[in-house]
Amino acid sequence: DAMVIQNPRYQVTQFGKPVTLSCSQTLNHNVMYWYQQKSSQAPKLLFHYYDKDFNNEADTPDNFQSRRPNTSFCFLDIRSPGLGDAAMYLCATSVRAFPVSPLHFGNGTRLTVT
Amino acid sequence: AQKITQTQPGMFVQEKEAVTLDCTYDTSDPSYGLFWYKQPSSGEMIFLIYQGSYDQQNATEGRYSLNFQKARKSANLVISASQLGDSAMYFCAMREGGEGADGLTFGKGTHLIIQP
Repeated sequence: DAMVIQNPRYQVTQFGKPVTLSCSQTLNHNVMYWYQQKSSQAPKLLFHYYDKDFNNEADTPDNFQSRRPNTSFCFLDIRSPGLGDAAMYLCATSVRAFPVSPLHFGNGTRLTVT
Repeated sequence: AQKITQTQPGMFVQEKEAVTLDCTYDTSDPSYGLFWYKQPSSGEMIFLIYQGSYDQQNATEGRYSLNFQKARKSANLVISASQLGDSAMYFCAMREGGEGADGLTFGKGTHLIIQP
C-alpha cells in the first residue's frame, strides 16, 4: 500500500543536541509538509516543499530546518532542541491540484527532550 | 481571527447514538476544501471525509457524513451509530485556494469519548 512513513516512532534527544527526523512516501506526491503538534493542541504547520521549492511559515523558529533530497524523502532538522520543542512531529503529503485534496499523514514521531 | 472554530472541547456520547461535531470556518477564497481528521491516542492523523466548496451535495463516507451549510460557513461532522472505537480527537481543517498548496489549517479539536 502506498503510504507515508516516519522514522523513528519515538525519539529522545538531549537539550541542545541536534536531531533529525525522517519521512518517506510512496505516493509520489509533489508536496510534503512538516507539522508540529504539542500536547492537547492542534497541529501547526512548520514548512512545506512544493517539489523542490521550500516554503517556510513566518513564525517557524530558525532552529528548525528541512531538506528534501528527492521526491520520496523529507527531513526535519532541529539544530539545538529546547525543552519547548518536545512534541509530536507529523509529516504529510498531498498533490497540488484542483480541486483541493486531503493531506496524507504519517504516524508521527514523538520527540522528547531531556 | 480564527479560520477554523470548533466550539466543543469535549463530548461524551452513549454507544450507538449519533453524534454531531461542530465546525465553523472563515475564508474569503471562493475555492476551498473542508476536511475532518480523527486522531486516536496513538497519534496518527486519519483522514475521514472531505467537502469541496463547489460541491452541491453533502459528503458521506460510511458512518460519516458532513453537514455542509455554505451560507453559514459551517461543516459539521455527523457520526451515525457511534462505536467505542470512535473515541478520539477530531479535527476540522480547511485548505484554501484553487490548488491548496499551503496545507491545512486546523481547528483546536473536539475530544470525543464514547461510553458503553
